[in-house]
Amino acid sequence: EDQVTQSPEALRLQEGESSSLNCSYTVSGLRGLFWYRQDPGKGPEFLFTLYSAGEEKEKERLKATLTKKESFLHITAPKPEDSATYLCAVPHSGGGADGLTFGKGTHLIIQP
Amino acid sequence: NAGVTQTPKFRVLKTGQSMTLLCAQDMNHEYMYWYRQDPGMGLRLIHYSVGEGTTAKGEVPDGYNVSRLKKQNFLLGLESAAPSQTSVYFCASRGNTYEQYFGPGTRLTVT
Repeated sequence: EDQVTQSPEALRLQEGESSSLNCSYTVSGLRGLFWYRQDPGKGPEFLFTLYSAGEEKEKERLKATLTKKESFLHITAPKPEDSATYLCAVPHSGGGADGLTFGKGTHLIIQP
Repeated sequence: NAGVTQTPKFRVLKTGQSMTLLCAQDMNHEYMYWYRQDPGMGLRLIHYSVGEGTTAKGEVPDGYNVSRLKKQNFLLGLESAAPSQTSVYFCASRGNTYEQYFGPGTRLTVT
């Protein structure tokens, strides 16, 4: 059974204080790992896709990395507008099934 | 492009009432999905469609039905709403790669 576990559940940082969010996964035959950002009352917004171990993707203050067991979302010098819930997800690996298996997310708060 | 849109944004139902949620996408995507999001549970797949005229069950399909009569639309129906169906419902779509693009959600309360 596919499993995606995110940690920590919540993280409070001061503006400019860099940190990392973790996403560990168990899936048969990884077909990509996705990071999303979700603001309160909104739908998840796609950020990155990672396909293979060693791959990295960057966007502004965010960098996503991937190993064979986990992914990290590194946040460098965050600003208050980076506050959101960050979700990671993998495609279902079951035969014939489609859709994404999501972690429960990390709720990130950046204080000015 | 509007991307993925959902109507309505909010709805309150009484137990036993029925309703239909509409999802529309303008990206010419073949694949469409319905998820529900509950506190502490994350996003869970209800039903999905791999093309016009097709539907399939996801992780939590009971109590819901879907239809995909047109490629751009995916409807989610509740025939007899129950309080356990109080949730936020998200529609998503994708093309030939696996990343999905989500709509803004429908917040449903069943009393």
